[in-house]
Amino acid sequence: NAGVMQNPRHLVRRRGQEARLRCSPMKGHSHVYWYRQLPEEGLKFMVYLQKENIIDESGMPKERFSAEFPKEGPSILRIQQVVRGDSAAYFCASSPLQGRRNTGELFFGEGSRLTVL
Amino acid sequence: GQQVMQIPQYQHVQEGEDFTTYCNSSTTLSNIQWYKQRPGGHPVFLIQLVKSGEVKKQKRLTFQFGEAKKNSSLHITATQTTDVGTYFCAADYKLSFGAGTTVTVRA
Repeated sequence: NAGVMQNPRHLVRRRGQEARLRCSPMKGHSHVYWYRQLPEEGLKFMVYLQKENIIDESGMPKERFSAEFPKEGPSILRIQQVVRGDSAAYFCASSPLQGRRNTGELFFGEGSRLTVL
Repeated sequence: GQQVMQIPQYQHVQEGEDFTTYCNSSTTLSNIQWYKQRPGGHPVFLIQLVKSGEVKKQKRLTFQFGEAKKNSSLHITATQTTDVGTYFCAADYKLSFGAGTTVTVRA
């Protein structure tokens, strides 16, 4: 029973390139969350998605960042024209529960660590 | 947006001692969760509290949800080196995480 799978685990990009981070939730989970974590800091919420729907993207920067969770395949966090400030660990988490009042336990992937040169 | 504040940010503990970390919100929470992240690792769920005044224990860890559901605490007794890591509280549906309390242990 595989957990939340994220890839790549490490990604190096030069300024101006694109970064695509993938997340496959646990089997049976239809809710995906993306968080960003800077070194020595906490987890900052970015976006909450269900299959084919963005439920809440209030934590996403308005430009260069986008996320999707298609009917088939993993959730993807895409960062266009990366800058050095995008260097961080990006964690994906999944949950089986629905509803806006209670997420239930989140299961986190091991993260994708992006380094922008 | 809603924010939860955690104190202290850092906790240096002598092995065998107890400590408490606190999580505070300016708004009433429907629930609160606690996670632990080991250095270099990913957050792992510890517990969820839902009811006003709720207290739950996991071995040496005691979690409490305030009567007004605006604050929570995690108390660890007889700290061990395995307790090293960052403890986060997270609130409500999109799980706004606190900045965490990073715990180091002196053997």
